[in-house]
Amino acid sequence: AQSVTQLGSHVSVSEGALVLLRCNYSSSVPPYLFWYVQYPNQGLQLLLKYTSAATLVKGINGFEAEFKKSETSFHLTKPSAHMSDAAEYFCAVSGRSGGSYIPTFGRGTSLIVHP
Amino acid sequence: NAGVTQTPKFQVLKTGQSMTLQCAQDMNHNSMYWYRQDPGMGLRLIYYSASEGTTDKGEVPNGYNVSRLNKREFSLRLESAAPSQTSVYFCASSEATGALHFGNGTRLTVT
Repeated sequence: AQSVTQLGSHVSVSEGALVLLRCNYSSSVPPYLFWYVQYPNQGLQLLLKYTSAATLVKGINGFEAEFKKSETSFHLTKPSAHMSDAAEYFCAVSGRSGGSYIPTFGRGTSLIVHP
Repeated sequence: NAGVTQTPKFQVLKTGQSMTLQCAQDMNHNSMYWYRQDPGMGLRLIYYSASEGTTDKGEVPNGYNVSRLNKREFSLRLESAAPSQTSVYFCASSEATGALHFGNGTRLTVT
């Protein structure tokens, strides 16, 4: 069984401030972990992924995330927020079931960026 | 470089009507998925297909059927639409690592 908890349905930051979106997971097998971004009226786009290589993962648009096994966390960060970062962010954990990966998503965190 | 293509983009149905949502991918991925997205609920898996010729139920399969027509295409059918099926539907395919590539969604309203 696997699950994802995203802490905070909304996070508000000022432009130029640090972005921190929290994700905790549970998984009965070594997990693959992902962050996706969704802009209004669009599908989800992969930001970054952890697949058991380096624990600090860099993604697109200046985002990065660190896999911490002891804390079962995979928090998403960006040093300096831009207005264009305003979107919905989803954390997902993926475990292998038979011949396929079955991703489970968190409920999402809406990032609001103030001028 | 189309990726995952879904049709239609919008649909309005009356209760009891049927329809099929179409999805095709051009990335040669083995696995394909159908999700629904509702406010505050994240994405919930309806059905998935690990490979051509196989399909399995996800978290919320009731009221839906799927067909994996070939490696490229994976359709979702609502036999008798209900207002509870008003949602945004996303099709996705996955890389070997499990990373998903999504279509742009179908916004379905059932009145």
